[in-house]
Amino acid sequence: SYELTQPPSVSVSPGQTARITCSGDALSNLYGYWYQQKPGQAPVMIIYKDNKRSSGIPERFSGSSSGTTVTLTISGVQAEDEADYYCQSADTRHTSYSVIFGGGTKLTVL
Amino acid sequence: QVQIQQWGAGLLKPSETLSLTCGVSDESFSHFYWNWIRQPPGKGLEWIAEIYYSGRTNYNPSLKSRVSISVDMSRKQLSLKLTSVTAADTAVYYCARGGGKSVERFDFWGQGTLVTVSS
Repeated sequence: SYELTQPPSVSVSPGQTARITCSGDALSNLYGYWYQQKPGQAPVMIIYKDNKRSSGIPERFSGSSSGTTVTLTISGVQAEDEADYYCQSADTRHTSYSVIFGGGTKLTVL
Repeated sequence: QVQIQQWGAGLLKPSETLSLTCGVSDESFSHFYWNWIRQPPGKGLEWIAEIYYSGRTNYNPSLKSRVSISVDMSRKQLSLKLTSVTAADTAVYYCARGGGKSVERFDFWGQGTLVTVSS
């Protein structure tokens, strides 16, 4: 399907590693992107083209890709990482392209 | 640093037309696609449409019949119109810079405009 599926929630303790997955057929041949959104703020792109970290994003954020899944990994989670995370790709099957977002994952830092 | 300012009416009645504009301070305005994205309260992100400086557009198929997007190169502004709004169109609407190619990433976002549809 050309939907992107994310777990609704992930919980980790400070200092642990959080992994958020995003699955969908589009990711087999198109890049995945990750956004972090904190309450009341616009989303911020943190990972682009599967695994490239945006400027100014801490090194503890990393991305990877395998088959139809992209994964956002946050190593050594900090309290400030608590946020909603969205993956994004595209649907280019037809002559008219469109963007697709995952449903979002709420990361809770315990 | 790219700056995006948005403006437009924040309260509409059902059946009215939503109209939003964003102005961009980006010398490379013509090198990128520009997008509208919305987020209903407490829900996820939904892409609405993109436009290139040439006027080339792509629309979310689920909204295409009601959406119109345009660009004013001289003012570096883009506009969104959504007709026949209902309560389901209540959302924060974002203007965002896309990539140099169609349907890529969004690296700069406006502050968002809350649009409420209520009778």
